[in-house]
Amino acid sequence: DAGVIQSPRHEVTEMGQEVTLRCKLISGHNSLFWYRQTMMRGLELLIYFNNNVPIDDSGMPEDRFSAKMPNASFSTLKIQPSEPRDSAVYFCASSFGQSSYEQYFGPGTRLTVT
Amino acid sequence: QKEVEQNSGPLSVPEGAIASLNCTYSDRGSQSFFWYRQYSGKSPELIMSIYSNGDKEDGRFTAQLNKASQYVSLLIRDSQPSDSATYLCAVGPSGYSTLTFGKGTMLLVSP
Repeated sequence: DAGVIQSPRHEVTEMGQEVTLRCKLISGHNSLFWYRQTMMRGLELLIYFNNNVPIDDSGMPEDRFSAKMPNASFSTLKIQPSEPRDSAVYFCASSFGQSSYEQYFGPGTRLTVT
Repeated sequence: QKEVEQNSGPLSVPEGAIASLNCTYSDRGSQSFFWYRQYSGKSPELIMSIYSNGDKEDGRFTAQLNKASQYVSLLIRDSQPSDSATYLCAVGPSGYSTLTFGKGTMLLVSP
């Protein structure tokens, strides 16, 4: 079975540029989570969707970040404009059912903003 | 604010020993508890889930939950060098609230 798929795996961009990260959920899953991981702050939840609807976006750092789920199996996380402090590993995870259920992570996107 | 606390480590154990990883949480309403293993440069991998007080065993792994003490632990028996990784504890209430992750404990198993 295919797991959560993320692209790109690595992204290097210059400050001010737009960055789009992509995620494909595990087939049959209906909850989608975007996380950011840094050494200093650990794993932070950015936003959570259930059945394509954003349920909790309190972790989104600021208006520069936006996330969409245009269909049941796909999501994007966009940063515009990007800043060096956005450099981190961004993970997408999916689960079946509610947010407190078992979540399965994608391989992550390592973002470097110079 | 919901908090999940783990000792950052590293916890060093010799091959074949039992590794004991601990986690405490602040939200008494928590109902679901998970352990994830994360190898360096990789994504978190779910290895155990536990929802009721007591022990749950899966191969060499045993998760222990004590809701009264707000404490969850992971025991790894017959530790192997391949178990060397960071172990993340995640805690969640039931329903539409999200998991809170600890910052993880690094485990080093020496041959």
